[in-house]
Amino acid sequence: TQLLEQSPQFLSIQEGENLTVYCNSSSVFSSLQWYRQEPGEGPVLLVTVVTGGEVKKLKRLTFQFGDARKDSSLHITAAQPGDTGLYLCADGHSNSGYALNFGKGTSLLVTP
Amino acid sequence: EPEVTQTPSHQVTQMGQEVILRCVPISNHLYFYWYRQILGQKVEFLVSFYNNEISEKSEIFDDQFSVERPDGSNFTLKIRSTKLEDSAMYFCASRGQLVLLAEAFFGQGTRLTVV
Repeated sequence: TQLLEQSPQFLSIQEGENLTVYCNSSSVFSSLQWYRQEPGEGPVLLVTVVTGGEVKKLKRLTFQFGDARKDSSLHITAAQPGDTGLYLCADGHSNSGYALNFGKGTSLLVTP
Repeated sequence: EPEVTQTPSHQVTQMGQEVILRCVPISNHLYFYWYRQILGQKVEFLVSFYNNEISEKSEIFDDQFSVERPDGSNFTLKIRSTKLEDSAMYFCASRGQLVLLAEAFFGQGTRLTVV
C-alpha cells in the first residue's frame, strides 16, 4: 500500500511570507494531485502533475514534481490569509477506478 | 458552475441505527465515489461506482455499508448499524471521465456523529 507523508503537519506564518510544503511517497506516483480543503468543505483540486521534473505555476503557487516521481513540493510566494487551509497531496490513480489515495495534509494558517 | 451536493450537512444518530447519506453528483458525470475523513486523520477511499455497480471498494467498506443510485440523480451511502467509530465526515465525489487529468469534484460533506 502506497504511503504518502506530508510535512510539515502544521505551519503558521504571517502574511507576506513564503513557504514550502512537501509530499513524499513510498512508491512512484501514477499521477500526483494537490488539493486544498477549507473547514467544512470538500477538497478542491489545485493541480495535477504527471511527468517527472514537471513544474506548474498557479498564480503565487508553484508545484514541483520530483524527477523520480516519488516526491513533490508546493511553494507559496507572499502568502495571504486566503491561503489558509489544509493542503493535501494525493495519488490520482491508486486503482483501476481512479480512486484517490491521500496524504494527511499540511494545515496552513496565514495571519494578517 | 456545476457542483456536487450532499445532504444532510450534519447527521446525529444513535449507535446501532441505520443512516443514509445522500449525494447529487454533477449531472453528466458517470463515475461516483464515497470517501470518509475521521477527525484528525486522512481522507480515505471507501467505494467507487460506475454503470450501476461497485467498481472498487476498500477494506473499510464492509457488509454494513452499501451504495445505491436509486434514480438518475441521487447516489446514496447506507450504513446499516452505525458504530461509534463511523463518526466522520463523508464526502461524495464524481468524475466525468476515467482519465488521469479528469478532475474529481467533491461535495461539501456530511458530518456523521454517532452517539
